[in-house]
Amino acid sequence: LAKTTQPISMDSYEGQEVNITCSHNNIATNDYITWYQQFPSQGPRFIIQGYKTKVTNEVASLFIPADRKSSTLSLPRVSLSDTAVYYCLVGEDSNYQLIWGAGTKLIIKP
Amino acid sequence: NAGVTQTPKFQVLKTGQSMTLQCAQDMNHEYMSWYRQDPGMGLRLIHYSVGAGITDQGEVPNGYNVSRSTTEDFPLRLLSAAPSQTSVYFCASSTRGGVRNEQFFGPGTRLTVL
Repeated sequence: LAKTTQPISMDSYEGQEVNITCSHNNIATNDYITWYQQFPSQGPRFIIQGYKTKVTNEVASLFIPADRKSSTLSLPRVSLSDTAVYYCLVGEDSNYQLIWGAGTKLIIKP
Repeated sequence: NAGVTQTPKFQVLKTGQSMTLQCAQDMNHEYMSWYRQDPGMGLRLIHYSVGAGITDQGEVPNGYNVSRSTTEDFPLRLLSAAPSQTSVYFCASSTRGGVRNEQFFGPGTRLTVL
């Protein structure tokens, strides 16, 4: 599994766009990138997943450059309720042992 | 559709006691897994199962046993609880394992071992 590196924490303000970058320098050809969100006292929740270029859903966008050595989760116009820990996972479809890093603790201020 | 359910929500054990954490899902998912999460850390995989009758070890399996007799249930047994097993335990399920398949998590069990 590709090792991932994320910032430990980030602060932002309501209404701003927040970008969280995940570094995965040794990503393999068959690896996918998935992001989860975890609120305090809850299990993680799937946000978005991609392989290359850009993916967008109703919650977030995921930007993946051509070399795929990093990925950026973009949260548009955040609110206080977006305060959570965000995890980046990288691996191939057939690998059943998911490795979770410490994630990025995002704090949104009023 | 209840999703993934876990019981109990909270548990306090004494060192040496045994117990079983229950996990059930009603989505007919083949893949189920158990994680522990310690303060300020990410999730660490304990055991996982790719279907009824099939289990395998994850990153931190010592001190834990699992079995999978049905698609729906995946209990986690602590054989002889130790303070180092104080943690929050999450059960998850998905159609398959792997990064590409969305994992659905239960609400967690907060375990304290004295």
